[in-house]
Amino acid sequence: EDQVTQSPEALRLQEGESSSLNCSYTVSGLRGLFWYRQDPGKGPEFLFTLYSAGEEKEKERLKATLTKKESFLHITAPKPEDSATYLCASLGSARQLTFGSGTQLTVLP
Amino acid sequence: ETGVTQSPTHLIKTRGQQVTLRCSSQSGHNTVSWYQQALGQGPQFIFQYYREEENGRGNFPPRFSGLQFPNYSSELNVNALELDDSALYLCASSIPPGTGNTEAFFGQGTRLTVV
Repeated sequence: EDQVTQSPEALRLQEGESSSLNCSYTVSGLRGLFWYRQDPGKGPEFLFTLYSAGEEKEKERLKATLTKKESFLHITAPKPEDSATYLCASLGSARQLTFGSGTQLTVLP
Repeated sequence: ETGVTQSPTHLIKTRGQQVTLRCSSQSGHNTVSWYQQALGQGPQFIFQYYREEENGRGNFPPRFSGLQFPNYSSELNVNALELDDSALYLCASSIPPGTGNTEAFFGQGTRLTVV
C-alpha cells in the first residue's frame, strides 16, 4: 500500500525566513510525485510534478526536489501570500494519487 | 483557474438521504477522479472513471457510486448518508493513464454537510 507522510504538520515563518517542507513516500512503481497548494475551502492547485530522483523544479519562491524516498519543497524568502496548506501526493502503479495530510504554512508579515 | 467545475459548491443533507455531486472536466481530459477530504486531512481517493467505466476504486463502500458521460463529465452519488460523510468532495481531471503526462487538475470542491 502506498504511503505518504508530510512534516511538519504546521509551520510558522516570518516573512523572508526560508525553510523546507518534507514529504516521505513509499510507493510501488513511482509514476510521479506531486506538490499542490490548497487555500482554505478551495481545491488543490497544481504546483509541480517530479518523476525521478535528482530532479528539481522551480516556480517563483518555490523549489521542489526528489530523492528515492523523500521530496522537499523549499520556500525562499516567503511572503504572507504564500500562506496555505501544501500537499504532497504520489502516483504509483495503482494509478491513483495518494496524498499526505499536508503542511499548514503561515507566513507572518 | 483550472477548467474543472463542480456543482453545487455547498450542500446540507440529512442522515439517510442520498446526494449527487457533479463535475465537468477540463477540455481535452477524459479521465475523472473523485476524492473525499475530511477537515485537516489530505484527499482520499474514491474512484476514477475513464471512457465511461470505473477504472480503479479506493477503500470506500458500495454506497459511493459514480457515472461518467460521453462528454467526460461525471457524477458522484452517495446513498444512505452518514454523519462521517461530511467532507469536501473533490473532482480531478487528467488525460488517460499511461499517456505520459500525469498531472491531475482539481475543481474547487463541493462542501457536503450531513446533519
